[in-house]
Formats: sequence, C-alpha cells, structure tokens
Amino acid sequence: AQTVTQSQPEMSVQEAETVTLSCTYDTSESDYYLFWYKQPPSRQMILVIRQEAYKQQNATENRFSVNFQKAAKSFSLKISDSQLGDAAMYFCAYRSAVTGTASKLTFGTGTRLQVTL
Amino acid sequence: DTGVSQDPRHKITKRGQNVTFRCDPISEHNRLYWYRQTLGQGPEFLTYFQNEAQLEKSRLLSDRFSAERPKGSFSTLEIQRTEQGDSAMYLCASSLGTSDRKETQYFGPGTRLLVL
Repeated sequence: AQTVTQSQPEMSVQEAETVTLSCTYDTSESDYYLFWYKQPPSRQMILVIRQEAYKQQNATENRFSVNFQKAAKSFSLKISDSQLGDAAMYFCAYRSAVTGTASKLTFGTGTRLQVTL
Repeated sequence: DTGVSQDPRHKITKRGQNVTFRCDPISEHNRLYWYRQTLGQGPEFLTYFQNEAQLEKSRLLSDRFSAERPKGSFSTLEIQRTEQGDSAMYLCASSLGTSDRKETQYFGPGTRLLVL
C-alpha cells in the first residue's frame, strides 16, 4: 500500500516571501500522479498542482512549483511571493496510474500554512 | 458548472440514529468518490463509483455504512446506528474518468457530522 508523509504540521511565512512544504511518499509502483491540494478554513479543497511521475520536468502553476525527486520519493511544494490568501491546510496526495486500479487519492496528514504581514 | 455540492453541510445526531448524506457531482462527471476526514488528518478513501457501479470499498467502510449512486447521478452515503467514532467530515469528490488517467478530482464542501 502507498503512504504519504508530511512531516511539517505547521509552517509560517511572511507575505511576499517564499516557503517550501515537504512531502515524501512510499510506493512500489513506477507510474503514478502526485498532487498538492489546498483546503482553506471552512472551505472546500481545491487542486493546486499536479505532477505526473513519468515526466522529469517539475510542474509549475503561476506562483506554485514543485520539486519532484522520483528516486528519493520526494515531492515538495514551493510557494513564491506568498499572499494572505495562501493561508490554508495543504495536503500532498498520491494516485496510482496503474491500469485496473481505482483512482482513489491517498493523502498525507497536511501542513497548516500561516501567512503573516 | 456549479461544482460539487453536498447536503447537509452540518449534521448533529445522537448515538444510534441513522443519517444520510447527499452528494451532487459536477454534471458530466462519471466518477464519484467518498472520503472521510477526521480532525488533524488528511482525507481517507471510503468508496468509489463509476457511473452507477460501486467499484471499490475501503475496509474503513463497515457494514453500518452504505453508499448508492442510482442512475449514475447524485450519490447518498448512509450511516446506520451511528457511533461517536463516526464524527468526522465526509467529503465527496467527482471526476471525469479518461483513458489516460489524467483525471482531476473536484471536491465538495463536505458534511460535518457530530455524533453525541
């Protein structure tokens, strides 16, 4: 079974600064997807960024980028130019790409990001 | 596209009562997922539908839990004889399954259940 570990329960960043959230995972599969989801307080979870394991290039979405190290099974999220609206719980998630398996997501325990003035 | 909706948003019940939650997915999405999220944890997979067929159930889904998706549209999750340990946020997600498996799951706002 796959597992996802987020070792930072809480992180803090000043507005306009850069912060990196860590995520490691364990799997025996070679084909999979990795995700970062954001869950603002009392609001629904939204997708921040997605990485396909077969792609060596790190995914980027505006101020959000990832550092995907497949051999190390590491998948960190970098948020540049942090904004107050970035304050939320961030979840790292894994999904198998193996044909015939369900598309369920396996989540980490989350990192709460605070953004200060 | 109005997004995934869930009803009710909050439910308080007494131990032993039955509760039912509803999820309305994004209209063209053929896949629907239920997850459970307890305080301080990430969501955990409960069950998955492709159209009206329930294709996978987690071991977390005891026999007190049942889910349906009649006609492949909305879904219901029923918990019978609720226990205090059932207190959690129940999240629904939907996606458009594709052959290349590049689907994205879109989440609803969740139903927060408190069992007294």
